[in-house]
Amino acid sequence: DGGITQSPKYLFRKEGQNVTLSCEQNLNHDAMYWYRQDPGQGLRLIYYSQIVNDFQKGDIAEGYSVSREKKESFPLTVTSAQKNPTAFYLCASSTQGYGNTIYFGEGSWLTVV
Amino acid sequence: QKEVEQNSGPLSVPEGAIASLNCTYSDRGSQSFFWYRQYSGKSPELIMFIYSNGDKEDGRFTAQLNKASQYVSLLIRDSQPSDSATYLCAAASGYSTLTFGKGTMLLVSP
Repeated sequence: DGGITQSPKYLFRKEGQNVTLSCEQNLNHDAMYWYRQDPGQGLRLIYYSQIVNDFQKGDIAEGYSVSREKKESFPLTVTSAQKNPTAFYLCASSTQGYGNTIYFGEGSWLTVV
Repeated sequence: QKEVEQNSGPLSVPEGAIASLNCTYSDRGSQSFFWYRQYSGKSPELIMFIYSNGDKEDGRFTAQLNKASQYVSLLIRDSQPSDSATYLCAAASGYSTLTFGKGTMLLVSP
């Protein structure tokens, strides 16, 4: 089935640790995105990529890093510099980059312990 | 700063009624508009999108766009308890990523 797969679904991070969230899509979409959602809040854009080996910062990129070595994959690393990382992380993809419908993965819950 | 505003709700309607969800946007250059439904603890799923002024219908859902007023709405006819969720409005201009509102919670009572 075509879709966007995020893993793990639940992740616990200790203070000072880096963690990486995986995102893979088989929709042949050019653009991929990472959003963060806090309880009762909207979606905030962390990073996005419109093409392999290129990505741009979103509104809240500090404390996060990404790579886009393959069209299908867009992993997000939450670094120890991110002071409040507990949130719901959503990966998404779309054809082209701007103004086109985006589709979401199932999300990953990250909790700092 | 591009903004999309939604009333957080909850909007409560009885089963079978019409639910009306509203959204305003600040960027006059916005060209495409989207409605997503998000159940608690789940990821957003696309309901429909609209690009042109006027109405667009898809089953029980109708999206309405008024670019002059910078206003987008979603009507849900014959509301069902399964429609209870948070509805996210999003807007994009031709050269930007989507900007999301914070969502409106809809509660449909049996």
